[in-house]
Amino acid sequence: DIQMTQSPSSLSASVGARVTITCRASQSIHTFLNWYQHKPGKAPNLLINATSNLQSGVPSRFSGSGSGTDFTLTISSLQPEDFATYYCQQSYSTPRTFGQGTKLEIK
Amino acid sequence: QVQLQESGPGLVKPSGTLSLTCAVSGGSINSSNWWSWVRQAPGKGLEWIGEIYHTGSTNYNPSLKSRVAISIDKSKNQFSLKLSSVTAADTAVYYCAREIPGYCSGGRCYGIGFDIWGQGTMVTVSS
Repeated sequence: DIQMTQSPSSLSASVGARVTITCRASQSIHTFLNWYQHKPGKAPNLLINATSNLQSGVPSRFSGSGSGTDFTLTISSLQPEDFATYYCQQSYSTPRTFGQGTKLEIK
Repeated sequence: QVQLQESGPGLVKPSGTLSLTCAVSGGSINSSNWWSWVRQAPGKGLEWIGEIYHTGSTNYNPSLKSRVAISIDKSKNQFSLKLSSVTAADTAVYYCAREIPGYCSGGRCYGIGFDIWGQGTMVTVSS
């Protein structure tokens, strides 16, 4: 199985701040890396797929980059609605695996 | 647009079998998508359980493979999950999800994310 490791596990930041979440795969997954936003009581929401492809309706303050084993999700200017848990997920091989999550909290 | 809806018992006894169904509406389960089950135990992260294609092909998480069966009913446009010999560790919110197809090569299929999810259903394992 491909292990996905996110850092940090939690992050406290202010509205307007720029934040970066990193995700590392235990082996190369090329660019088969996806990012989700998950809020309590709701289904996860796909933000970015294939490393950097922003999904329709997702604000442009979200961006993704990377390849191989190292990836990042950046939020350029945090908004109140962005406080949630973020997961990376590889779709290079089965079993599909997720990172452990990064909980983004208001400072 | 395609929507997914999970259904099934919210309470299952230990050693019993968890059974859930995911109804697909607004589109066909015969499309070029793999259909997955994902769960989240309380206070934990997301765990992929397995997937099925409309041909009936399946892939399972090795950690659950001995207890999991995913099936498809094309006549009802739905797919189902059975998880046997459940314990309290199987208590979780269970989601069904659709994976965007990438391509298949050399016996491996690459996806590009789960774009549509059901709202999730909480299943508690308790006597």
